[in-house]
Amino acid sequence: DTAVSQTPKYLVTQMGNDKSIKCEQNLGHDTMYWYKQDSKKFLKIMFSYNNKELIINETVPNRFSPKSPDKAHLNLHINSLELGDSAVYFCASSPLLGHGYTFGSGTRLTVV
Amino acid sequence: GENVEQHPSTLSVQEGDSAVIKCTYSDSASNYFPWYKQELGKRPQLIIDIRSNVGEKKDQRIAVTLNKTAKHFSLHITETQPEDSAVYFCAASPVNSGYSTLTFGKGTMLLVSP
Repeated sequence: DTAVSQTPKYLVTQMGNDKSIKCEQNLGHDTMYWYKQDSKKFLKIMFSYNNKELIINETVPNRFSPKSPDKAHLNLHINSLELGDSAVYFCASSPLLGHGYTFGSGTRLTVV
Repeated sequence: GENVEQHPSTLSVQEGDSAVIKCTYSDSASNYFPWYKQELGKRPQLIIDIRSNVGEKKDQRIAVTLNKTAKHFSLHITETQPEDSAVYFCAASPVNSGYSTLTFGKGTMLLVSP
């Protein structure tokens, strides 16, 4: 039973399209995150949600819009996709802010 | 905000040797320091962590040390094996402050040759 699951695992799309990535956790955690891992493997925080409330938005273009319908779900919608958005996007959850992360398996987004 | 520096970026060792990866952090409010291992094409997985009230922690072949005064912490892997080959990330966060997220170092690719 996967603790943090993301869909889809792979996403190939054209520039200018709009796409969504979904994340669900069954760990009962209060906090969820989106991280972007670029081609050099650098993991950078994008958003942090605690109990469905956005608490951190790290200078991410407003083409990226997270949504948390409930504590167990955090989705990421991206408008007008650009080549530079190509990366692996990881969802994570934790019981405490900034502690004990469990990562999802990642979504490899390729914009062509 | 927090800034975490990690060295080296790549590390090649022979099987059975020890490997050491070092990190420094900038925010004195950080009090939680985990290490993650990421195998090729997989998710980062927590391998060991340490809190600021502890100077050293060990789990079988891996150990982490923390020097709060100097703001640096290190991962030590002894008796390395080929399956230890992966990218290792250090991270830091001020747990339970209003802005707690993990800030990651840029990663160290460890290659263990048989």
